[in-house]
Amino acid sequence: QVQLQESGPALVKPSETLSLTCTVSGGSINSHYWSWIRQPPGKGLEWIGYVYYRGTTRYSPAFTSRVSISLDTSNNQFSLRLTSTTAADTAVYYCARDGRAAAGIDSWGRGTLVAVSS
Amino acid sequence: QSLLTQPPSVSGAPGQRVTISCSGGTSYIENNGVNWYQQLPGKAPKLLIYYDDLLPSGVSDRFSGSKSGTSASLAISGLQSEDEAHYYCALWDDSLNGWVFGGGTKLTVL
Repeated sequence: QVQLQESGPALVKPSETLSLTCTVSGGSINSHYWSWIRQPPGKGLEWIGYVYYRGTTRYSPAFTSRVSISLDTSNNQFSLRLTSTTAADTAVYYCARDGRAAAGIDSWGRGTLVAVSS
Repeated sequence: QSLLTQPPSVSGAPGQRVTISCSGGTSYIENNGVNWYQQLPGKAPKLLIYYDDLLPSGVSDRFSGSKSGTSASLAISGLQSEDEAHYYCALWDDSLNGWVFGGGTKLTVL
């Protein structure tokens, strides 16, 4: 059973870069797609983007100008960077294993709350 | 404003059957597979249904998915108190090459 765990700063200052890492255990990152999804407090889910194990990335149009997702296969991790943050980026950020249309998002991390505030 | 519309809330009594709808524009739902996720309070979402009507291993068969025209539905039979949660539909959009989520529905078990 694959498990995912998000890690990173809980507080980011406005205009600075939000950086999170997801550590995958119980399975190899060298397969599947790996996504980041966020949930602002009291609101719904927003897909941010994914990285494929071969390195291909795809981002939601809502984030494409300021997001990057990358892989670290040696540590079985993948990461999110979101630049030019504002208070609207305050959210719980989830990393997840993504089977796309064929299988859905079938494994999720527990999520980490990141607040953007001075 | 999501491309997928869900009712903000539904409710039902224990033992009853409830359905949650997810509607999209013309052909949007018809042409793309729909997933359903359950999010218990304070927890991460959990995949309930994928590719319209398939259950992942370990998910109770009290949950079922269907699709007709421009709408998809999640049905929960034999409602239990532990089903009280938010439910989200999601669609893999081939043109976007990414996920679109509905706004979510809060299920209250009376």
